[in-house]
Formats: sequence, structure tokens, C-alpha cells
Amino acid sequence: GDSVTQMEGPVTLSEEAFLTINCTYTATGYPSLFWYVQYPGEGLQLLLKATKADDKGSNKGFEATYRKETTSFHLEKGSVQVSDSAVYFCALGDGSSNTGKLIFGQGTTLQVKP
Amino acid sequence: DAGVTQSPTHLIKTRGQQVTLRCSPISGHKSVSWYQQVLGQGPQFIFQYYEKEERGRGNFPDRFSARQFPNYSSELNVNALLLGDSALYLCASSSGPTPDTQYFGPGTRLTVL
Repeated sequence: GDSVTQMEGPVTLSEEAFLTINCTYTATGYPSLFWYVQYPGEGLQLLLKATKADDKGSNKGFEATYRKETTSFHLEKGSVQVSDSAVYFCALGDGSSNTGKLIFGQGTTLQVKP
Repeated sequence: DAGVTQSPTHLIKTRGQQVTLRCSPISGHKSVSWYQQVLGQGPQFIFQYYEKEERGRGNFPDRFSARQFPNYSSELNVNALLLGDSALYLCASSSGPTPDTQYFGPGTRLTVL
């Protein structure tokens, strides 16, 4: 079945460092891809999305490009801030099931130190 | 406009009991999905309801059930609670039935003792 694999964390960076969180997927068809962020004690917030190959999603300085040839959707940010510390989830929309089902990776914890 | 709301915020139950969790979607949204998030893992899909009908079901036992009301709010019921049911239960709403942008509520933290 469809699945998402994320790099294991935690990822610890200094403020203003470059961030990459790897995400690869396995899917039939052409799923939509998402990055969600979860701050401590809160629910999930949509960070960005891409709906077809070569689309680039971007928001708040974060970017991710839908790469069909490598089945990847890596999250990047040029300069992280302490406030970016959170858990990041990569997800795909299960288009084959004709439902709104999202399949999530296991999450990657980001810690940014001043 | 208010976002997705869930109640209660926290809940403590004992094994064998039953629990009902509630969710109100964003105004105008007709789809509600439920997810279970065990500590340290990503959310797992439980159910989706769209226009008051079950649209999808994840790999969960029959102890889990849900329904959607005419105002599109939803309830998730879990019977015969097990220790392994302890988790954060998330509700998400969207305007349509497909895997488009979903907006998540803050969740209900269920602890089973």
C-alpha cells in the first residue's frame, strides 16, 4: 500500500542554519503531497502542499518540490529560527481510495538552538 | 471564522469503558476525518465522513465507530477501551471529500488506565 518515509530525528540546528528534512513516498497513481507542522501540545497545521509533479509548495520560508522521478518531497528552509522548533510530518493524499485519507510519515522533530 | 473545535480536551478512562469524542468542523466544510496519533508517531486514519455518510475507514477494529450529524459535526465512539487506545485523537475538516487541504483541530488527549 501507499506509504511515507521520513528521515529520523531529532534534527538539531543552530539558528540561521539551513534545514533539509527528507521525505520519500510510495504510491499508486498521482497523490497530492503535504507537509504539516505540530507545535508542542497542539494539533497539526498545514505548512505547504503540492498537487502534481514538479510543483513547488512554499510558505513561511519553507519549500518542497514534488519530484516524481525520485518519489520525494523534501522540506527545506534557508535560515531556521528558534520558533521553527516543532515536529514536521510529511503526508500524501490517498488518491487511489477516493477518500480524504491522508497517510503520514512518522514525523521529524526539529530543535533550533539560539 | 472559528477553526475546527474538539471536546473534551483531555479525558481519562479505565479499561473496558466507552468514550465519545466530539468535533465541529469549520463552517461550510462538509467532510470530517478522524485520526489517532500515538505518542511519537504520525497520525493514523480512522474514518472519514462526507455529507453524513461514511466515505472511508482505516484499519481499526469495530470497537471504533463514528457518525456525522446534519450540521456536519461528528462524534467518534470507542467501546471496550484498551490501554493501547491511549492517544491524541485528531479531527480534520475539509470542504470536499478528496484528499485536499484538511484543517486539524487541537485534538482530544485520551488516557486509558
